[in-house]
Amino acid sequence: NAGVTQTPKFRVLKTGQSMTLLCAQDMNHEYMYWYRQDPGMGLRLIHYSVGEGTTAKGEVPDGYNVSRLKKQNFLLGLESAAPSQTSVYFCASSSAMGSYSNQPQHFGDGTRLSIL
Amino acid sequence: RKEVEQDPGPFNVPEGATVAFNCTYSNSASQSFFWYRQDCRKEPKLLMSVYSSGNEDGRFTAQLNRASQYISLLIRDSKLSDSATYLCVVKEDTDKLIFGTGTRLQVFP
Repeated sequence: NAGVTQTPKFRVLKTGQSMTLLCAQDMNHEYMYWYRQDPGMGLRLIHYSVGEGTTAKGEVPDGYNVSRLKKQNFLLGLESAAPSQTSVYFCASSSAMGSYSNQPQHFGDGTRLSIL
Repeated sequence: RKEVEQDPGPFNVPEGATVAFNCTYSNSASQSFFWYRQDCRKEPKLLMSVYSSGNEDGRFTAQLNRASQYISLLIRDSKLSDSATYLCVVKEDTDKLIFGTGTRLQVFP
């Protein structure tokens, strides 16, 4: 059972470089999310998608772009990496809609990104 | 004020102890609540949902107090394998989750 798969797992970039993080889920979930996790802070939502072809901004979207061309994939792009984007990035997916559902989000195992 | 607040700990307890974690949330309109567990350098995983009437899953009991906007997690008979960070999570509109910073638990022999 693959669930949510993130690639790559680790990456070191130089300031100004660009890269794309890939998230793939095989659970046919409508909703997908990208979070970042930094020491002493909770997971913060970067962008999310409520379905194929749709994206929306989360809490900390600046410096990131996303695309959801296929239902199973959600890409997170850094156009010009900055040291402040050094973090652990988690992708998640869920099937639920609205705040009344108790369906959980399923997380990938994270991408550790360092920007020098 | 943070949207979801937790005591960061760490809570250091011996095996077999009972330990309780608390969490408060600011949005009174929130409807869904969860406890997630996160092991060091791993992804968060759902531990249990929290229902208004309270719910139990083995050694774990979750409680919700809507009037006080307060959520709790009780772990009985702690095991070494319970050592982890426990994240209080509140679901808001559009299925967005708001995460607390987590409470770290260390169970020692």
